[in-house]
Amino acid sequence: DAGITQSPRHKVTETGTPVTLRCHQTENHRYMYWYRQDPGHGLRLIHYSYGVKDTDKGEVSDGYSVSRSKTEDFLLTLESATSSQTSVYFCAIADLGYEQYFGPGTRLTVT
Amino acid sequence: GQQLNQSPQSMFIQEGEDVSMNCTSSSIFNTWLWYKQDPGEGPVLLIALYKAGELTSNGRLTAQFGITRKDSFLNISASIPSDVGIYFCAGPVNGQNFVFGPGTRLSVLP
Repeated sequence: DAGITQSPRHKVTETGTPVTLRCHQTENHRYMYWYRQDPGHGLRLIHYSYGVKDTDKGEVSDGYSVSRSKTEDFLLTLESATSSQTSVYFCAIADLGYEQYFGPGTRLTVT
Repeated sequence: GQQLNQSPQSMFIQEGEDVSMNCTSSSIFNTWLWYKQDPGEGPVLLIALYKAGELTSNGRLTAQFGITRKDSFLNISASIPSDVGIYFCAGPVNGQNFVFGPGTRLSVLP
């Protein structure tokens, strides 16, 4: 299994608070991704990174920001959490090919 | 943006039966990926297809890259209880950016 961890694994937070999710890899892969998964929608890309300090928006980036200051860490921040951001968040990594490897997920509930 | 459709959305089969599912797109893809997600886990890559017409197997799983490059198929032979899960197709758009289908949920009855 690819070395990917996500923290926290579960979080409950209140509307309006900032939240940061962390993805950590030990594979030295270049690409890192944040997805959200909701029933009926599959996986939707939020943001991705193609190198340290190089990031780009995905399909559902509004309300989210990311940072990658080291190869191994990719942070996802919800600037002001809303109930619509209740979801399961997955981090993924990839190297030069198209094959992505996913982390175990973070279940976020915004009350 | 590009979207992928998967059918069926869900299926219930008896243990030992063969399973077929597909993924279609209105746009051409140069790569097709098939993932499986077990309950409470992240998706795991099953098969990657890189060439139109390609047929690739991974144990009891066989996937095909459609000739039109707008579809792909996944077959599972002799299903077993651990095949339960959600199967996703995916493809790259704009380089390393990916789009995923909505998934096919498979249930296997003993």
